[in-house]
Amino acid sequence: KQEVTQIPAALSVPEGENLVLNCSFTDSAIYNLQWFRQDPGKGLTSLLLIQSSQREQTSGRLNASLDKSSGRSTLYIAASQPGDSATYLCAVDQAGTALIFGKGTTLSVSS
Amino acid sequence: EAGVAQSPRYKIIEKRQSVAFWCNPISGHATLYWYQQILGQGPKLLIQFQNNGVVDDSQLPKDRFSAERLKGVDSTLKIQPAKLEDSAVYLCASSFSHGVLYEQYFGPGTRLTVT
Repeated sequence: KQEVTQIPAALSVPEGENLVLNCSFTDSAIYNLQWFRQDPGKGLTSLLLIQSSQREQTSGRLNASLDKSSGRSTLYIAASQPGDSATYLCAVDQAGTALIFGKGTTLSVSS
Repeated sequence: EAGVAQSPRYKIIEKRQSVAFWCNPISGHATLYWYQQILGQGPKLLIQFQNNGVVDDSQLPKDRFSAERLKGVDSTLKIQPAKLEDSAVYLCASSFSHGVLYEQYFGPGTRLTVT
């Protein structure tokens, strides 16, 4: 049974810092890995999707990497801003199934 | 392109009452998902539809939860009777199909509080 773990559960940093969020999964037979952002009381916003054949994806200040063989992904946020404060969720799918999510990392960026 | 629509956004009910949630997916999306997100947890799949057929409902508590997707478009999720532990955000998502390249798009969710 696929399990997704995110570390740390919470993170507080001052504005301007570069930071890394970690995601691990137990079954390497995945098709896609997605990183989402969730603001309090809101739905999910997709940030980056990495297909199993890819190693990384970049969007603006965000970079996500995938090491399928070791069951790990990282989300790198450069030059963090207070507006980046949110919960970041990692999710994987297998053969087009529904997404299996981690519990998320709650990020707080102080100005 | 319009996103996934859900209503209501918030609902407060007493335990043992019934409640229904509605979802309208992105036009042309054949696959529709209902997820339950309990506070502090990641979303968990309740049911997945492909057009109007059920693909996966293995985690749906069928004694109290039901869902349908008439004509392969809109979907409703019902809880009857509700329990305190059903307090959660119910998220609807859709994708073009279910497969390798098809990204899921999420609606804003319905926050249910059972008192």
